[in-house]
Amino acid sequence: DAGVIQSPRHEVTEMGQEVTLRCKPISGHNSLFWYRQTMMRGLELLIYFNNNVPIDDSGMPEDRFSAKMPNASFSTLKIQPSEPRDSAVYFCASSRERADLSGANVLTFGAGSRLTVL
Amino acid sequence: AQSVTQLDSQVPVFEEAPVELRCNYSSSVSVYLFWYVQYPNQGLQLLLKYLSGSTLVKGINGFEAEFNKSQTSFHLRKPSVHISDTAEYFCAVGRDKAAGNKLTFGGGTRVLVKP
Repeated sequence: DAGVIQSPRHEVTEMGQEVTLRCKPISGHNSLFWYRQTMMRGLELLIYFNNNVPIDDSGMPEDRFSAKMPNASFSTLKIQPSEPRDSAVYFCASSRERADLSGANVLTFGAGSRLTVL
Repeated sequence: AQSVTQLDSQVPVFEEAPVELRCNYSSSVSVYLFWYVQYPNQGLQLLLKYLSGSTLVKGINGFEAEFNKSQTSFHLRKPSVHISDTAEYFCAVGRDKAAGNKLTFGGGTRVLVKP
């Protein structure tokens, strides 16, 4: 299993540009999460999907951020337009929600996408 | 709402010495508790989890944690650390399936193991 795959690993862009981060979850996992990590705010949950449906997007900072999950094997997080304060490491994580407790909330994280907005 | 507090932002420790990382949580409902580790430039990896049953949980790499419901704590311990344990450690709380399958993370504790 290749794990959760994120791309790009690093992105440097200028303020105002559109940024698209991509995630491929682990095959068979039915929940997908986008987190943002900064020194000031730590790890923040932006949005999570279950069976490709957005369940909770209350952590999405503002309308500049959007996330999609068109199928079980792919998700994107888009920032348009980007601002310097969006600079952070963005993590995608996936999990398999089961009827019993054995897989409850056990997330597998990708390596992250480090975004720098100049 | 639930929250997680990691009382120490940094913990320096000498190699082969014991280490304890403190974690306290608040929640109005039963929770699941986790410790994740993040090595430099990597994503988070699960160290251990408490879902139910025995309050002493053993994880990978010799780590263990004890769930204390009365003190709402889930402290992480290792009796003898190695240089390779240098990393950032995150405590996290999750709620039951009916409440949504998501985690709230603490601010992290950076462990620096010195030779």
